[in-house]
Amino acid sequence: AQSVTQPDIHITVSEGASLELRCNYSYGATPYLFWYVQSPGQGLQLLLKYFSGDTLVQGIKGFEAEFKRSQSSFNLRKPSVHWSDAAEYFCAVYGGSQGNLIFGKGTKLSVKP
Amino acid sequence: DAGVTQSPTHLIKTRGQQVTLRCSPISGHKSVSWYQQVLGQGPQFIFQYYEKEERGRGNFPDRFSARQFPNYSSELNVNALLLGDSALYLCASSLHDRGPSPLHFGNGTRLTVT
Repeated sequence: AQSVTQPDIHITVSEGASLELRCNYSYGATPYLFWYVQSPGQGLQLLLKYFSGDTLVQGIKGFEAEFKRSQSSFNLRKPSVHWSDAAEYFCAVYGGSQGNLIFGKGTKLSVKP
Repeated sequence: DAGVTQSPTHLIKTRGQQVTLRCSPISGHKSVSWYQQVLGQGPQFIFQYYEKEERGRGNFPDRFSARQFPNYSSELNVNALLLGDSALYLCASSLHDRGPSPLHFGNGTRLTVT
């Protein structure tokens, strides 16, 4: 069965530091992968998606993610974190048969001044 | 352009009651999906509707039902509420019903069951 694992429940980084959030997926075919961000009390906003082609995808707000098939990973990165990036981040894979997304449990990002 | 709108934003119900949540998709989007997000978890798929037909259903009991109207808006109904139904209910719309069309989420309805 398809699944998504986000190993880190909570990460704290200093403002201006680099960020990498980990995501591992389990999917038999070529995966369609997404990263969403959720601010407190808000819905989910799409940061970026990978469908095919270049394995390094650029998203909004300066985020990027790299698809590594050999490692079944789709890690999210940002070179320099801003205080406004504090939020919860969800990785998701397209499940296919039901037309739904399968989400990881999320990683909460805190940013220290 | 307006995004996905959901109403109400917050709701408090008692065990055993019934609740209806509403969603209006982005203009032009014909597919609506519902997800349940329990505190500390990622969203879990409940339903997908396209052109008023159910196209997918997650692992939820029959107490959960939904429908889509001709204007593509949607309602999620939950009967015989349990404490465990307390969650953020998210509606999402997309252009297509098949393929990895990105989902656009509303801000959700926070349901508390006491």
